[in-house]
Amino acid sequence: DGGITQSPKYLFRKEGQNVTLSCEQNLNHDAMYWYRQDPGQGLRLIYYSQIVNDFQKGDIAEGYSVSREKKESFPLTVTSAQKNPTAFYLCASNDRGGSGNTIYFGEGSWLTVV
Amino acid sequence: GEDVEQSLFLSVREGDSSVINCTYTDSSSTYLYWYKQEPGAGLQLLTYIFSNMDMKQDQRLTVLLNKKDKHLSLRIADTQTGDSAIYFCAETKMEYGNKLVFGAGTILRVKS
Repeated sequence: DGGITQSPKYLFRKEGQNVTLSCEQNLNHDAMYWYRQDPGQGLRLIYYSQIVNDFQKGDIAEGYSVSREKKESFPLTVTSAQKNPTAFYLCASNDRGGSGNTIYFGEGSWLTVV
Repeated sequence: GEDVEQSLFLSVREGDSSVINCTYTDSSSTYLYWYKQEPGAGLQLLTYIFSNMDMKQDQRLTVLLNKKDKHLSLRIADTQTGDSAIYFCAETKMEYGNKLVFGAGTILRVKS
């Protein structure tokens, strides 16, 4: 089945440690996105990529890094510079030529600092 | 302030209609969306409306768009307990490659 796969579902990070969240899609979508969700707030855009080997900062990129070496993959690294990384992270993708420019989401990854 | 605003909580009885409201700010948005999020899960697209439409109906869901007032609503007819979730309104920001700007979400609680 086509879709977006995020892993791991749950991840614990120690202080000062970098961690990487995986996002893979088999929808042949050009654009991919990373959002962060905190309780009581809407989703905030961290990074997005409209095409392979290119990506742009979103609203809250500080302390995060991404790469887009392959069309189907858009991993997010939460670095030690991110001071408050505990959140729910959502990856998304869309086919910019598709109907409604619909954006599809993965099931999310919970990151907790211990 | 927020680009997209929603009320935080709505409680209805099973079988009643639910109306979730949203206001947005970007008059250039071409699409407006409603997403549903169940606990611990990703967002599921419920429906969307193109900005040149006033209304869109899809089974139990009705979306109304008042472009003049930048007001969007989602009506769920015959609300069921399975409709309990967080509902997010979102508008597109075309200059960011169709970036979606989300509201904070409305928690819908359906009482049986």
